[in-house]
Amino acid sequence: DGGITQSPKYLFRKEGQNVTLSCEQNLNHDAMYWYRQDPGQGLRLIYYSQIVNDFQKGDIAEGYSVSREKKESFPLTVTSAQKNPTAFYLCASSRGEGTWGYTFGSGTRLTVV
Amino acid sequence: AQSVTQLDSQVPVFEEAPVELRCNYSSSVSVYLFWYVQYPNQGLQLLLKYLSGSTLVKGINGFEAEFNKSQTSFHLRKPSVHISDTAEYFCAVSKDTGGFKTIFGAGTRLFVKA
Repeated sequence: DGGITQSPKYLFRKEGQNVTLSCEQNLNHDAMYWYRQDPGQGLRLIYYSQIVNDFQKGDIAEGYSVSREKKESFPLTVTSAQKNPTAFYLCASSRGEGTWGYTFGSGTRLTVV
Repeated sequence: AQSVTQLDSQVPVFEEAPVELRCNYSSSVSVYLFWYVQYPNQGLQLLLKYLSGSTLVKGINGFEAEFNKSQTSFHLRKPSVHISDTAEYFCAVSKDTGGFKTIFGAGTRLFVKA
């Protein structure tokens, strides 16, 4: 079955470390997205990519970086510059522009220890 | 710019009772509207979407929503809820052109009591 796979499900980071969250899709979707979810704040867009080798900053891109070298993959790196990284991170994809709705992965919960 | 307001952060309801989760949006252009459901520690799942045509949209799990352009609302309803409907529900809006960014509401937590 097609879908989006996020790994790992749980991730622990020490202060000052960079960590990379994986997102892979086999839906042949052009667009991919990263969202951060905090309690009571809904979803906030970090980065999105419409096509391979191109991506745009979302509303809260500071302290994060992404790459889109393959259509199927859109990894997110949480850098040490992100001051409050503890959150639930969701990856999504869509066939194109906003008409189709999003398919979401099951999320990665990142905790700073 | 678009925005989405979900008017209730939490909605408690008894099993088999009807429920309405309210969503209002603002936009200067035509939009597409969505409802998603999120179960604990999982991603979001698309419940239903309004693109055009009939203003009453039916989705999965017995949910439906009505688009009201004059009131800029897209409320989600279910005539009889089950314990398994306990989850968080998100309303979302996207532009009908050049719309790679979807704006999500803050979510409404539906709690179904026995």
